[in-house]
Amino acid sequence: AQSVTQLGSHVSVSEGALVLLRCNYSSSVPPYLFWYVQYPNQGLQLLLKYTTGATLVKGINGFEAEFKKSETSFHLTKPSAHMSDAAEYFCAVTGFGAGRRALTFGSGTRLQVQP
Amino acid sequence: EAGVAQSPRYKIIEKRQSVAFWCNPISGHATLYWYQQILGQGPKLLIQFQNNGVVDDSQLPKDRFSAERLKGVDSTLKIQPAKLEDSAVYLCASSLTSDRYTGELFFGEGSRLTVL
Repeated sequence: AQSVTQLGSHVSVSEGALVLLRCNYSSSVPPYLFWYVQYPNQGLQLLLKYTTGATLVKGINGFEAEFKKSETSFHLTKPSAHMSDAAEYFCAVTGFGAGRRALTFGSGTRLQVQP
Repeated sequence: EAGVAQSPRYKIIEKRQSVAFWCNPISGHATLYWYQQILGQGPKLLIQFQNNGVVDDSQLPKDRFSAERLKGVDSTLKIQPAKLEDSAVYLCASSLTSDRYTGELFFGEGSRLTVL
C-alpha cells in the first residue's frame, strides 16, 4: 500500500523568499516519487521525479527535491519564489515493482506568493 | 508531440442525468487512467487500463460509473445517474508501458463537471 501526506494545505511566501513544501510518503516497496504542479483550470504538469540514483533531483522552474529514505520524505524547495510559482502542488508516489500501479497523490498544497 | 486530449472541458447537468467524457491519450501510450479531482483534494484514481484491459477499477463506483477503451486507444467515462457529489474535475492521463517505465503520467486539461 502507498500513501502521501502533504503538510500544510496552504503556504504563503513573499516574492524572493525560500519555498518549502513538505511531503512524506509510505510505501511497501522502493518508491518512485513525483511532484506535479497545477495551474488554475489546467491539468497536472510534472515538476520533477525521483526513481533511482541521486537523491537530490532538479526539476523545471528552479525547483528541486531531496529523497530522504530515513525520514520517508520528499520535500520540494526553491531558493527564491516568483509570482508565477503561485499554483497548487501535488506530491505523488508509486512503487518499483508494484505492478506498475497508478500514482497515489497527496491532498495538495496551494502556494501563494506575495509581492 | 500532441498531448492528452479531453472533451468536453466543461459540463453542467442536473442530478440524475447522464454525462460522458472522452479522452485520447498520447500516441503509443498503452496505459490510460481516469482520475477524479474534487475541489480542494488531490486526484483519486477511478480506473486504469492497459491497452483495452482493466488493470484497476477498485475505486470506481460501479453502480453509476462506467468506462471503456474498446480499441486500446481512446476512452470514454460515463456517469449515470449523476449525483451532486460527482461534481469534480475528471482528469485523463496516459503513460508508457515498457522497460523504461518510470511511473510518470501525462495529464490532459480535465473535464469539469457541475451537477445541480
